[in-house]
Amino acid sequence: AQKITQTQPGMFVQEKEAVTLDCTYDTSDPSYGLFWYKQPSSGEMIFLIYQGSYDQQNATEGRYSLNFQKARKSANLVISASQLGDSAMYFCAMYTDTGRRALTFGSGTRLQVQP
Amino acid sequence: GAGVSQSPRYKVAKRGQDVALRCDPISGHVSLFWYQQALGQGPEFLTYFQNEAQLDKSGLPSDRFFAERPEGSVSTLKIQRTQQEDSAVYLCASSAGTGFSYEQYFGPGTRLTVT
Repeated sequence: AQKITQTQPGMFVQEKEAVTLDCTYDTSDPSYGLFWYKQPSSGEMIFLIYQGSYDQQNATEGRYSLNFQKARKSANLVISASQLGDSAMYFCAMYTDTGRRALTFGSGTRLQVQP
Repeated sequence: GAGVSQSPRYKVAKRGQDVALRCDPISGHVSLFWYQQALGQGPEFLTYFQNEAQLDKSGLPSDRFFAERPEGSVSTLKIQRTQQEDSAVYLCASSAGTGFSYEQYFGPGTRLTVT
């Protein structure tokens, strides 16, 4: 079975500072993908970043980077230079090609960026 | 280009009524997923289609839930005899391929309230 754990229900960060959102995962499948999505109050799920289990380097997309530590089964999201528009729910998710072929989501972290 | 669209965006149903939720995926996308998101939680998988074939319906919570994608494009999620616990946001997502490296694009969701 696959499981995603996000232990931070809520986080605060000052504008322009960096913030790390934690994510740990559990799977016995050697081949998987890890994703982060942003969900603003309007409700849409916005894809941020993807990391494959066999990728050697940590993924980066603009101000987003994924700190992938395979041995620890962690995939933390780092947002640099936070902006007020970053205030939202953030979900970590995993997808494997065996078993249930769909995203398994964590419970999310609500990030609030303060001016 | 057009993204994933869902209709209606909001639906209020009286307990016991049947509802039908529609998803229009991105044109040409092979995979289609339905998720249920309860308030304050991460999305939970309901069912998965590859073209017109429903390959996984293990997440459907009861036999009152039924989904179809008869021509491999538009999908409908039907809930019979709605109950209060069915109140949630129903998200549809599509992806261009069948592997985990393919990004899932989400629609805006349908918020179902059962009174």
